[in-house]
Amino acid sequence: LAKTTQPISMDSYEGQEVNITCSHNNIATNDYITWYQQFPSQGPRFIIQGYKTKVTNEVASLFIPADRKSSTLSLPRVSLSDTAVYYCLVGANQAGTALIFGKGTTLSVSS
Amino acid sequence: DAGITQSPRHKVTETGTPVTLRCHQTENHRYMYWYRQDPGHGLRLIHYSYGVKDTDKGEVSDGYSVSRSKTEDFLLTLESATSSQTSVYFCAISDSRRQSYEQYFGPGTRLTVT
Repeated sequence: LAKTTQPISMDSYEGQEVNITCSHNNIATNDYITWYQQFPSQGPRFIIQGYKTKVTNEVASLFIPADRKSSTLSLPRVSLSDTAVYYCLVGANQAGTALIFGKGTTLSVSS
Repeated sequence: DAGITQSPRHKVTETGTPVTLRCHQTENHRYMYWYRQDPGHGLRLIHYSYGVKDTDKGEVSDGYSVSRSKTEDFLLTLESATSSQTSVYFCAISDSRRQSYEQYFGPGTRLTVT
């Protein structure tokens, strides 16, 4: 499984767009990039997944450059409720695959 | 939210006692997982199951055993609890029928071994 590197923490204000970048230089050809969100005292929650280019859903966008060695999770107009830990994971998109969580990025949103 | 429950939600036990944690799902998903989360380590896989009576070890399986006699239940047993097993335990499920194979996590069980 490819190792990922992401900032330990980020601060933002309500209404701003937040971009969290994840570095994964050793990503394999069949690896997908997946982001999870975790609130205190809760289990992680799937946000978005992509393989290349751009993916957008109702919660976030995921930008992946052509070389796939990094990816950026974009959260539009964050609110206080977006304060959480965000994990970037890279691995094969296969059922039964164990997820390898790093330390994640702690996002703090202030008013 | 996916129908996953964990019981108990909190437990305090003494070193050397057996402990069983239960994960129950109502989604009929094939795969079930047990993770533990500790400060500075993120989540680490203990065991997982790919069907009834089919289980396999994860990264940190020593001191743990699992059983899955029904699709909906996945039990994690600490045969003789140690203080190093104090942690938050999360159960997760995934469905091979979904393209992205994302995992859905339960609310967690906070276990303290004294």
